[in-house]
Amino acid sequence: GNSVTQMEGPVTLSEEAFLTINCTYTATGYPSLFWYVQYPGEGLQLLLKATKADDKGSNKGFEATYRKETTSFHLEKGSVQVSDSAVYFCALSDRGTGGGADGLTFGKGTHLIIQP
Amino acid sequence: DTGVSQNPRHKITKRGQNVTFRCDPISEHNRLYWYRQTLGQGPEFLTYFQNEAQLEKSRLLSDRFSAERPKGSFSTLEIQRTEQGDSAMYLCASSLAASSGTQYFGPGTRLTVL
Repeated sequence: GNSVTQMEGPVTLSEEAFLTINCTYTATGYPSLFWYVQYPGEGLQLLLKATKADDKGSNKGFEATYRKETTSFHLEKGSVQVSDSAVYFCALSDRGTGGGADGLTFGKGTHLIIQP
Repeated sequence: DTGVSQNPRHKITKRGQNVTFRCDPISEHNRLYWYRQTLGQGPEFLTYFQNEAQLEKSRLLSDRFSAERPKGSFSTLEIQRTEQGDSAMYLCASSLAASSGTQYFGPGTRLTVL
């Protein structure tokens, strides 16, 4: 079956530090990959996505590259801000398996804390 | 664009009672999904609809869970004979069938079973 594994949190960084949150996946088909973010007290929001190998998704200074050879989709940002403090979820949508299920498979989430 | 809405936002019930949650998707979206999220975990997919057809329901957690989307617009999720283990956040999402899987989530309904 499909699965997503992301690094355990919480991850605590100082403002302006470089961020990497690792995400690896297992899928039987040709997945699309996503990063969702959940800010305190708010719902899940799509941060970025990539639909095929070697695609790079980017938004708000965050980026992630779909690496089929390493089955990874690591999230990076060059300089984090206090306002980036949130829970980040890696997810996949598996297409082409013929199984019919079209729901997203999520990782457990990584809580990011940015200190001023 | 008003986004995905869910009602109620919070529900407290006693064990054994039935509960029903409502989801209103983004108006032009023909796909609608239900997920459950427990503390410290990512959302877990339960079921989805394309228009009024329920295309996947094998992931529903037990036969106490059911969902409907009678006119292809809003959807309801019902849990019968609630148990304490049903306490969780229930999320709804919607998307366009022609999209690359991008789903837009509502704020969720938090269920507490006493």
